[in-house]
Amino acid sequence: EDQVTQSPEALRLQEGESSSLNCSYTVSGLRGLFWYRQDPGKGPEFLFTLYSAGEEKEKERLKATLTKKESFLHITAPKPEDSATYLCAVKTEKLVFGKGTKLTVNP
Amino acid sequence: DTEVTQTPKHLVMGMTNKKSLKCEQHMGHRAMYWYKQKAKKPPELMFVYSYEKLSINESVPSRFSPECPNSSLLNLHLHALQPEDSALYLCASSLRDRNTEAFFGQGTRLTVV
Repeated sequence: EDQVTQSPEALRLQEGESSSLNCSYTVSGLRGLFWYRQDPGKGPEFLFTLYSAGEEKEKERLKATLTKKESFLHITAPKPEDSATYLCAVKTEKLVFGKGTKLTVNP
Repeated sequence: DTEVTQTPKHLVMGMTNKKSLKCEQHMGHRAMYWYKQKAKKPPELMFVYSYEKLSINESVPSRFSPECPNSSLLNLHLHALQPEDSALYLCASSLRDRNTEAFFGQGTRLTVV
């Protein structure tokens, strides 16, 4: 069965304190790994797509990387507006989501 | 433009009501999806349409009935729902139902009373 595990479940950072979120997966036939950001009561906002091991994508303070078994979302010098739940999803026959990491960045 | 539009944003319905959720995209995407999300949980797939044909039904109860009238529109018809069906219902679309990223709407917050 396809599985996606995100860690930690929750993370509190001080503004400017860099860190990483982890997404590990066991799937057959990976067609892509996606990162989303979700604010409370809103739909997930697409951030990145990664297709193959070694691939990296960057957007502002965020950088996503992919290995054969996991992906990391690195957050550099976060700001309070980066507070959200970050969801990882893998595409096989369908899109399977992890449970997310709730990030809180304190000023 | 990566916009998926869902209406209504909020819906309160009784258990004997019939209502519909609507979703629209104009990105030329040929795959559309319905997800259900409960509080503090990830989205759960309900239905997938690929080229206007239903390709995946995740064993969803028949009180939820999807419809894809054309490549830009997706509906979810609701009938005889239960209070436990209260959730955020999300529509998404992707270029193809293969390995392309899905873009989500803002959701319909459904409350069944």
